[in-house]
Amino acid sequence: AIQMTQSPSSLSASVGDRVTITCRASQDIRNDLGWYQQIPGKAPKLLIYDASSLQSGVPSRFSGSGSGTDFTLTISSLQPEDFATYYCLQDYNYPRTFGQGTKLEI
Amino acid sequence: EVHLLQSGGGLVQPGGSLRLSCAASGFTFTTYAMTWVRQAPGTGLEWVSSISGSGDSTFHADSVKGRFTISRDNSKNTLYLQMNSLRADDTAVYYCAKSKYQLLVDAFDIWGQGTMVTVSS
Repeated sequence: AIQMTQSPSSLSASVGDRVTITCRASQDIRNDLGWYQQIPGKAPKLLIYDASSLQSGVPSRFSGSGSGTDFTLTISSLQPEDFATYYCLQDYNYPRTFGQGTKLEI
Repeated sequence: EVHLLQSGGGLVQPGGSLRLSCAASGFTFTTYAMTWVRQAPGTGLEWVSSISGSGDSTFHADSVKGRFTISRDNSKNTLYLQMNSLRADDTAVYYCAKSKYQLLVDAFDIWGQGTMVTVSS
């Protein structure tokens, strides 16, 4: 199974900050990666698909990049509603594997 | 509006069985692969099972293989997860999710609201 290593596991930031979360795959997954946001008690929400495509309705301050084994999610200017946990998920093959998550805190 | 409405879940004893349902609306259900993802209390997301649009292909995580079965009834626009031989470590919130495109391996663009399964005596 492909292992997805996400870092950091937690991150303290302030409103207006630029933050970057990384995800590394244990093998080449092309650009088959998505990023999800989860607010406590809520279902995950798709932010980015195909490594860099912005899901409809998601604010443009979210962006994704990378291919092969190394990927990043960037939030250009944090807003209060962005404090949540973020997960990467490889869309390359089965079994599907998530990163461990990054909790973004104030 | 595209929507997934989950039902089922609850408290079950170790070794027991439970069936989760996920009713889809607002899209052509038979066209899209569907998936179950779970989240144990205080932990991250774990992929559980996926099924193709036709139902011909299914995939299960090793942790549930032989105990859980994913299925779908395209005439009822409903996805199911039959869970047998439940264990304490199956305790989690279970989410159903829709594939974004008509692919077997794809991002999940629509999620159900989640349903709690608690396995305890």
